[in-house]
Amino acid sequence: QKEVEQDPGPLSVPEGAIVSLNCTYSNSAFQYFMWYRQYSRKGPELLMYTYSSGNKEDGRFTAQVDKSSKYISLFIRDSQPSDSATYLCAMGRMDSNYQLIWGAGTKLIIKP
Amino acid sequence: DVKVTQSSRYLVKRTGEKVFLECVQDMDHENMFWYRQDPGLGLRLIYFSYDVKMKEKGDIPEGYSVSREKKERFSLILESASTNQTSMYLCASSTPGYNEQFFGPGTRLTVL
Repeated sequence: QKEVEQDPGPLSVPEGAIVSLNCTYSNSAFQYFMWYRQYSRKGPELLMYTYSSGNKEDGRFTAQVDKSSKYISLFIRDSQPSDSATYLCAMGRMDSNYQLIWGAGTKLIIKP
Repeated sequence: DVKVTQSSRYLVKRTGEKVFLECVQDMDHENMFWYRQDPGLGLRLIYFSYDVKMKEKGDIPEGYSVSREKKERFSLILESASTNQTSMYLCASSTPGYNEQFFGPGTRLTVL
């Protein structure tokens, strides 16, 4: 079993829809959680970063962490075609010498 | 504008060849990373460097070596390329601690 599970998709939704992307994990020692966005033929770039359980909002994006269920989510409101990309979750432990454990990435397609 | 550059976008090599992938960052970051990205597997850490001449093995170091002679430059070496090393290689850098990793555009390596 992988430490971090993420559905690879693709997930196809119409423009304007609310998108929910999810990752589950098995290691309760993970303490910080990140979402990266990767456009085709580009490197990943950081979208959201959270340390604790709860919600964090940034514009149309909301990151949610539920440590009791070992589950994290990224919500995108009013989705745009420019949001079409692969979204990767990443997690880390304070004792892991900065190493992140990555999900496989979910390919998201927003249809105009 | 922060920048991580990689020496090649696409590379085709023969089995048994020695391959050098180079990464340069202009942000004066202490940490540098080499990952490979394969479909369904996400990003897997090959090697990590936290200072000049310092390196640590990641999850999949076999068949690879690294060199960091200058702070801004981190090289990945495939001593004898094999077909199972065909992949996308991503370089990243960050400040110390659990901070955002900045990625280069990647090198797609094909080993024939």
